[in-house]
Order: sequence, then structure tokens, then C-alpha cells
Amino acid sequence: SQQGEEDPQALSIQEGENATMNCSYKTSINNLQWYRQNSGRGLVHLILIRSNEREKHSGRLRVTLDTSKKSSSLLITASRAADTASYFCATVETSGSRLTFGEGTQLTVNP
Amino acid sequence: GAVVSQHPSWVICKSGTSVKIECRSLDFQATTMFWYRQFPKQSLMLMATSNEGSKATYEQGVEKDKFLINHASLTLSTLTVTSAHPEDSSFYICSAYGQIEETQYFGPGTRLLVL
Repeated sequence: SQQGEEDPQALSIQEGENATMNCSYKTSINNLQWYRQNSGRGLVHLILIRSNEREKHSGRLRVTLDTSKKSSSLLITASRAADTASYFCATVETSGSRLTFGEGTQLTVNP
Repeated sequence: GAVVSQHPSWVICKSGTSVKIECRSLDFQATTMFWYRQFPKQSLMLMATSNEGSKATYEQGVEKDKFLINHASLTLSTLTVTSAHPEDSSFYICSAYGQIEETQYFGPGTRLLVL
């Protein structure tokens, strides 16, 4: 079953703008991960943030995690047309490696 | 990063036939692999967890006799869709778990169309 809810479901921005996507979950987690999926392709791992971390950066990506609110956000700065894709959060519960995916956000970056 | 391949990338078959999809971890050993199904414009739904040398663990609602999983080696897991029907048409994605990185590495997916 899907644990995460993501919003917005769809986001359309202009190149150069920042994109923020949010994810909420329900259970206790060990870590939360963000993935990207281009249309009709497999998933690419973007970043992992552990339950004891609050913020993490990787290039133009910034991820925050608020375990008290059971929510996470993914910020993509200075977006590019090539960032157009679906973005999914996925949680790993306190035991095991099983991922539970959110519903995803479809990001469109217009050139 | 680690590479996971899937074969075939797409397949069209007649209703009633069986289809086998292979998932390989190319540069690392994976004791655990996962099989997902994704319908258009939807998220990934976990079907089963495949453990090398043991029986797969299926998610609730997934028929184990219809979706046969074999994880015979540390680099190969197969999913066989038996007696496929049009409602089995979907995008099937596998992943292999990298213990060191604590992440799943995904294959490129297999698109199945059952006529």
C-alpha cells in the first residue's frame, strides 16, 4: 500500500525557477529517499536522508525532513528543462529495506 | 552507481501465454531484489520481495501462482507472468538492493502488452 502523499500532484514552472515538492508519510521511518523517473523509464535514486537528519544537499537538490510532522520536501534550484520528470518520495520503515512510494509529483520545466 | 538491467524492455504477447522478465545486477551482488508494477500516471506498487535462495514474499493481493519469482543467483531474479491477460498489461520494474548504500537500484523497466 502507498504510504506517502505528495503534493502537488503536478507542477509546471519556467526554467530557472525553483521547484518544491512535498511528501508526507504515516509510519516511523529509518530513512526517506527521493527518486526521479523520466517518462517510461526506470527510477534514478537522487538522495537519501536518515531519520536523524534534518537537511541534506546534493548539487541543486535540497531535501528536508521533519519527523515530528512526518513530512519531507525536495527543492530543486535553478531548474532546467531536463529536470522535467516525475519525482517520488519513498520511505524505509525502521526495519528492512522495503520501500514504500508516494504518489509522485509530475514536474514540467518549460524552457 | 550500480547498474541493473532488465530484459526484455518490451513485450507483446497473446492472452493465455506466459512471459518471463529477467532482472540482473551487473556490477554487484544483490541478496534482495524487488518487483514492482506501475500503471500509467501512477506510482510504483510493490509486488514481491525476492530473496536469493528462498521463496519470494508477496504483497497482499498479488497472486503468487500467477507471478512466479525465482532468485536463483545473487545477480539474477526472474518474474514470470503466467497465463497473461490484458489486465496484466503494465510496466514492470525490478530493483536490486545495495546493502552498503542502503538504496535500491532500479532497472529500466519492461513494458508488457497482452492482447
